[in-house]
Amino acid sequence: DSGVTQTPKHLITATGQRVTLRCSPRSGDLSVYWYQQSLDQGLQFLIQYYNGEERAKGNILERFSAQQFPDLHSELNLSSLELGDSALYFCASSVVAGWDTGELFFGEGSRLTVL
Amino acid sequence: TQLLEQSPQFLSIQEGENLTVYCNSSSVFSSLQWYRQEPGEGPVLLVTVVTGGEVKKLKRLTFQFGDARKDSSLHITAAQPGDTGLYLCAGAGTTSGTYKYIFGTGTRLKVLA
Repeated sequence: DSGVTQTPKHLITATGQRVTLRCSPRSGDLSVYWYQQSLDQGLQFLIQYYNGEERAKGNILERFSAQQFPDLHSELNLSSLELGDSALYFCASSVVAGWDTGELFFGEGSRLTVL
Repeated sequence: TQLLEQSPQFLSIQEGENLTVYCNSSSVFSSLQWYRQEPGEGPVLLVTVVTGGEVKKLKRLTFQFGDARKDSSLHITAAQPGDTGLYLCAGAGTTSGTYKYIFGTGTRLKVLA
């Protein structure tokens, strides 16, 4: 158990819909990262928040947005969903803001299926 | 763009065999991590290497960071079915003052009993 909690574990929805994925980081971790993992794309970095502020942005689509709340939990919002958005979405947390140490602790992921 | 290429992509071996997985890049990283991911779970950190030429051992796993900090290898001795999983390397570094953390393409290992 990494200490990172993600909900829901599974989600099935239709194209055009909007979903919200939730992540609670490990106790004491200030950084939250979101990753998308699909079979043909590997693990793709989406966005990072540190103590409520956006820290770094990766390959995140404009249809996707995220935020980190004062209690440090984070939500990833995916809208106007397309079939290609079907993937595993992972949240990870770490203590530090930068990636120098690069030690991330991952949740079990939210599997999104868009039909 | 920093890329981390892993080889081989897929590996299926018999229990007791040895294997090496490679993680290569043309870019320099300040640190490199290896993770293992099992089906239905998130990646789990195995090790972090930060010094060029560094070697770390974790039971039957040996990790090495290249002298130039551009590549790394993971060697497993006497593989067991419990070693089955997706192995990912990840590199941390800066490009033009911006932090980057990149995952490799992954090596899917299956150890047969």
